[in-house]
Amino acid sequence: AQSVTQLDSQVPVFEEAPVELRCNYSSSVSVYLFWYVQYPNQGLQLLLKYLSGSTLVKGINGFEAEFNKSQTSFHLRKPSVHISDTAEYFCAVGKYNFNKFYFGSGTKLNVKP
Amino acid sequence: EAGVTQFPSHSVIEKGQTVTLRCDPISGHDNLYWYRRVMGKEIKFLLHFVKESKQDESGMPNNRFLAERTGGTYSTLKVQPAELEDSGVYFCASSQPGAGAGANVLTFGAGSRLTVL
Repeated sequence: AQSVTQLDSQVPVFEEAPVELRCNYSSSVSVYLFWYVQYPNQGLQLLLKYLSGSTLVKGINGFEAEFNKSQTSFHLRKPSVHISDTAEYFCAVGKYNFNKFYFGSGTKLNVKP
Repeated sequence: EAGVTQFPSHSVIEKGQTVTLRCDPISGHDNLYWYRRVMGKEIKFLLHFVKESKQDESGMPNNRFLAERTGGTYSTLKVQPAELEDSGVYFCASSQPGAGAGANVLTFGAGSRLTVL
């Protein structure tokens, strides 16, 4: 079975500072990788996805993530965060036929002024 | 287009009672998923429908949980009788049919928070 580890449950950061949210997964087969964001009282929204091709994936709101197969990681980064980025972020892994997705436990990003 | 709608947004019931959660997926989305998040933990897969058929229900905790999707449109998730450990947020998600690019993008509802006292 797959597992997804988000090492940090909470990440406090000041506005305009860079941020990295870490995600590691375990899998012996090819997988597809996703980051979702949940703003308060809303559903999860897709930030970005890696299916194939370039290992550097750009998403919405200035976020990007890099797939590192050797380290089985898919860390999310943003060079300069805004107050509006305060939310909970989930890393997810999908198998080839996308019938099942595995999520991490989430990282709460708290951007302070 | 309308998103994925879940009802109720919050339900508080006593142990032993029954609760039914409803999910209306995006029109035309054959794939419908139920997930659950217990406080602070990972979002866990419960089951997957393709139209009205259960494709995978390996994540259902036990036989107190019953999911249906009659007619392949909306889905319900019934918990009967509810136990304390059933508390959490139940998310529904849907995606386009097939295995193409659209099938791997899940659109989530806002979730139904269940509190069992």
